[in-house]
Amino acid sequence: EAGVAQSPRYKIIEKRQSVAFWCNPISGHATLYWYQQILGQGPKLLIQFQNNGVVDDSQLPKDRFSAERLKGVDSTLKIQPAKLEDSAVYLCASSLGGISSSDTQYFGPGTRLTVL
Amino acid sequence: GEDVEQSLFLSVREGDSSVINCTYTDSSSTYLYWYKQEPGAGLQLLTYIFSNMDMKQDQRLTVLLNKKDKHLSLRIADTQTGDSAIYFCAGNTNAGKSTFGDGTTLTVKP
Repeated sequence: EAGVAQSPRYKIIEKRQSVAFWCNPISGHATLYWYQQILGQGPKLLIQFQNNGVVDDSQLPKDRFSAERLKGVDSTLKIQPAKLEDSAVYLCASSLGGISSSDTQYFGPGTRLTVL
Repeated sequence: GEDVEQSLFLSVREGDSSVINCTYTDSSSTYLYWYKQEPGAGLQLLTYIFSNMDMKQDQRLTVLLNKKDKHLSLRIADTQTGDSAIYFCAGNTNAGKSTFGDGTTLTVKP
């Protein structure tokens, strides 16, 4: 079974530029998560999708971050415009259903963003 | 919301046992998880425990839960150099939503 795929693996941009990250979850997984992991910290949830609907985006800085999962499969996270403090690893995870607290999340390798 | 705290660093000798500790604040956490993160990789789920359990053992891993003190620990028996990584504790308070600690960096010396 293929794991969660993310691209690109690394991205370097200048502040005020735009950037987009892509995630393809495990086949059949209804729930998709985007996390931001700043160096030295644990992952922080940005947004959670159930199929193509948003379940939780309370921690997403909506003035600059946006995410979509139009067909309920792969997802794109965009930052526009980027700030220095957005430098982090962006992790995508997926799980089967999300209706149970034991729903195991499987993580992709992440995209490391550096904003100069 | 939920706060999860961990000590930042742990160093052990190969073959010794490692114990990584975690405290959490939300008593309604129904599941508590341990993840492992190696350099340049995503998080790998190691094990989890349901809140009505005190202990769970899985090969070299033992999880202990003290619900009264909101304290969780992960014991790794016979620690190997391949166990060197960052270990994250996480709690679920809502369906499918996890809050992570900042991780404990485990260094295993030969």
